[in-house]
Amino acid sequence: SQQGEEDPQALSIQEGENATMNCSYKTSINNLQWYRQNSGRGLVHLILIRSNEREKHSGRLRVTLDTSKKSSSLLITASRAADTASYFCATTGREYGNKLVFGAGTILRVKS
Amino acid sequence: DAGVTQSPTHLIKTRGQHVTLRCSPISGHKSVSWYQQVLGQGPQFIFQYYEKEERGRGNFPDRFSARQFPNYSSELNVNALLLGDSALYLCASSLRTVVNEKLFFGSGTQLSVL
Repeated sequence: SQQGEEDPQALSIQEGENATMNCSYKTSINNLQWYRQNSGRGLVHLILIRSNEREKHSGRLRVTLDTSKKSSSLLITASRAADTASYFCATTGREYGNKLVFGAGTILRVKS
Repeated sequence: DAGVTQSPTHLIKTRGQHVTLRCSPISGHKSVSWYQQVLGQGPQFIFQYYEKEERGRGNFPDRFSARQFPNYSSELNVNALLLGDSALYLCASSLRTVVNEKLFFGSGTQLSVL
């Protein structure tokens, strides 16, 4: 089962533009995390936002969390070709036995 | 420091065979989780082990089993392989159990079942 659903499924932008990806989830959560995956290999953790936080920044990344709408967004500013990857949101919560449950991902392509 | 290491990187098996995948966590990490990722989908949780005890199991058949050793390394075993078991198998480690921890992933084992 997958807790989160990312939107859009795929996104293609020009280098230098901003990329926004959205994630919706179904049950109450402890935290929400974003991961990046290059070329179908291992995932890399980007950022973790706790359920009592509303916004977090890390370099060119900005994550927001709206628990009332059960949604989160990931903004990548000034995108680079190296940002081309799949991006996944993942949540932990009591409903899923506190394990990390991933969504289906957004494929981001940044054209140079 | 070494990251999470998985072996082998690629594996080809035939239906009905069994397979063992191995994972070494980051030094000091006591929790290991296993995920299956089918092409085009997000990772699906299989198992989590912490301090050598199973702490979580996903919706996978009993053909899937795992264990964690005293040095915190882990093995994932799959018996009676089916074509549908073809996937990227990912191992991830964390200091403690997952609730408010980030996971560190290995590069995965690509399993092809023919």
